Amino acid sequence: DGGITQSPKYLFRKEGQNVTLSCEQNLNHDAMYWYRQDPGQGLRLIYYSQIVNDFQKGDIAEGYSVSREKKESFPLTVTSAQKNPTAFYLCASSISVASYEQYFGPGTRLTVT
Amino acid sequence: QKEVEQDPGPLSVPEGAIVSLNCTYSNSAFQYFMWYRQYSRKGPELLMYTYSSGNKEDGRFTAQVDKSSKYISLFIRDSQPSDSATYLCAMSEGAQKLVFGQGTRLTINP
Repeated sequence: DGGITQSPKYLFRKEGQNVTLSCEQNLNHDAMYWYRQDPGQGLRLIYYSQIVNDFQKGDIAEGYSVSREKKESFPLTVTSAQKNPTAFYLCASSISVASYEQYFGPGTRLTVT
Repeated sequence: QKEVEQDPGPLSVPEGAIVSLNCTYSNSAFQYFMWYRQYSRKGPELLMYTYSSGNKEDGRFTAQVDKSSKYISLFIRDSQPSDSATYLCAMSEGAQKLVFGQGTRLTINP
């Protein structure tokens, strides 16, 4: 089965802790993306990666970090510097960064208290 | 002003009704227009894609793009309870970044 997996589905953390969200794809896609979804705000781009060992900031990168050491994996770390980290986080991939069609994972709901 | 505006709803209609979902945008460079469907607590999935102006039909779904008015629409005919979801419009200039609307929450009542 080809697709994108995100784990865990629900994550709870205390304020001040860093937390890493997992994203894995077996679609052989070059490009991967992280979005944040808040009620009434749609999807906002955090980071994207066009290829292994390369990534670019999106619209709301502050307080987040990523790595792309393998084509299949694009983990997102939510740092303690992120002022409002509670949200639904979505990972996506596409054949290339020029492709309009992005495939999304099931998402991780992060709650920080 | 946001680059893409979408009425968040919620929108509730009876089964069998025709549904119209809309987005307006401000960036005249947008050329690629998409509609994603997102069921509750799931990731979005691509429903329709249109390049530049015009109409595209796929079964009960029709996507329309009017670039002169910077306005796109998604029509759902003979709506079904299984169409209940949040519908997100998205658009791009051609590469890299998709810009999403806020999403419209739709409920089809049996």
